[in-house]
Amino acid sequence: DQQVKQNSPSLSVQEGRISILNCDYTNSMFDYFLWYKKYPAEGPTFLISISSIKDKNEDGRFTVFLNKSAKHLSLHIVPSQPGDSAVYFCAAKVGAGGGNKLTFGTGTQLKVEL
Amino acid sequence: DAGVIQSPRHEVTEMGQEVTLRCKPISGHDYLFWYRQTMMRGLELLIYFNNNVPIDDSGMPEDRFSAKMPNASFSTLKIQPSEPRDSAVYFCASSPWTRLYTDTQYFGPGTRLTVL
Repeated sequence: DQQVKQNSPSLSVQEGRISILNCDYTNSMFDYFLWYKKYPAEGPTFLISISSIKDKNEDGRFTVFLNKSAKHLSLHIVPSQPGDSAVYFCAAKVGAGGGNKLTFGTGTQLKVEL
Repeated sequence: DAGVIQSPRHEVTEMGQEVTLRCKPISGHDYLFWYRQTMMRGLELLIYFNNNVPIDDSGMPEDRFSAKMPNASFSTLKIQPSEPRDSAVYFCASSPWTRLYTDTQYFGPGTRLTVL
C-alpha cells in the first residue's frame, strides 16, 4: 500500500517556466514532509521541507505548499533551469528527529528543456 | 566529511549467488537506513539501525535478505541466494540523533545490483 503517491512519473517544462510537482499521501499521522532531488548515478539529496503546522515554505526558487485537508503537497520551481532536470521524490514522516523513518513516493522525472 | 560511502557501486551476479553490499555512514550519525529503489515502488525502506541495533526490519522482503551493523562505521546488506527480481539500486543513508524536525537523511551514491 503506497502511503505517499506521485502520480506523474515524468514532467517536461521549458526553461524559465514554472515546474509544479505533485504528491498525495494517505496517512493522516504524517506531520513532516520533504522533497529530495536525485541526479543519475547519485544518491538523493535533501531539497526542501515543510511541517504540518505550515502551509507554505519557500527557499529561493523552490516553494512547497501543503494542503492538509486534501492530503496533498506540491513543489513549485520558478524559474525552472536546465540544472533542475532530475528525479524528485516526495517523502513524509511522523514525528521529529533524524531517526524517524521516511516514507517515499515513486518519484517524478523532471526535464527542463532549453 | 566524505559523506556516506557505499561499495561496490555496481554489482553483476548470477541467480543463486550471494551478494554483499557495504556502507560506511557519516561519522557521528546515530541512524543508518537501507533503501531499495525500483521503478514500480520508488524508494522503499528495508531496515534501519539506531546505534548499531536494528530497530525496524519490516521492509525486508524475504528471509533471503539480512543486514548487520557490527560497529558504528560499517553496515552490510546481504542477499542469499539472489534472484533476478532483486535487481535494483540499493541506497544506504545515515542521520544524526536530534529532536529537530529539520534533520534529514544523507544518502550514499547507491549500489546498482543486476542479477542475471
